[in-house]
Amino acid sequence: DAKTTQPNSMESNEEEPVHLPCNHSTISGTDYIHWYRQLPSQGPEYVIHGLTSNVNNRMASLAIAEDRKSSTLILHRATLRDAAVYYCILRDGAGGTSYGKLTFGQGTILTVHP
Amino acid sequence: DTGVSQDPRHKITKRGQNVTFRCDPISEHNRLYWYRQTLGQGPEFLTYFQNEAQLEKSRLLSDRFSAERPKGSFSTLEIQRTEQGDSAMYLCASRFMGRDRQFFGPGTRLTVL
Repeated sequence: DAKTTQPNSMESNEEEPVHLPCNHSTISGTDYIHWYRQLPSQGPEYVIHGLTSNVNNRMASLAIAEDRKSSTLILHRATLRDAAVYYCILRDGAGGTSYGKLTFGQGTILTVHP
Repeated sequence: DTGVSQDPRHKITKRGQNVTFRCDPISEHNRLYWYRQTLGQGPEFLTYFQNEAQLEKSRLLSDRFSAERPKGSFSTLEIQRTEQGDSAMYLCASRFMGRDRQFFGPGTRLTVL
């Protein structure tokens, strides 16, 4: 799986938007961009994923650069419950023997201040 | 929504003992994954099941590790002759065929003394 690069940590204030960047300069045409987050003492939780177009769901928005070499996860109004490690993951959508496994990096630790 | 469950949540064992963990995926999910997570690191893939067939094993899965999914429902992960380096969080995830989203369980935290 192609690698991603994320900042080690970011900070935000409650009720402010948060933009979490991810670089994936070696992304291939069939790689989907996935975001998961992991709250303290819990298993990872799916946030959002996309291929080429920007995506929105009730948790977040995903903005994908036109050349797909970077993406940004947007939390529109951060809450204290959004404090977590956020992982940006590329998953090969071409099938074959990847079987959908996720290759996690170290992620970005998001701290939300009240 | 019952989610993915794992049992036990915590396990403390002495070096050299065998341990077994259980994962119950979401009932209609036929794809099941095991991951291992050490402190400060992201989860690492261990093995993958499609129904009862174990289709992929990571190099991390030494011969002391064995995983099964006998009827394509729950899965077990056994570690024989545990070592201190096996101390980690063991995570199970499942997903439905054709869907990208993986659902993770809360994990089993193993401490080997």
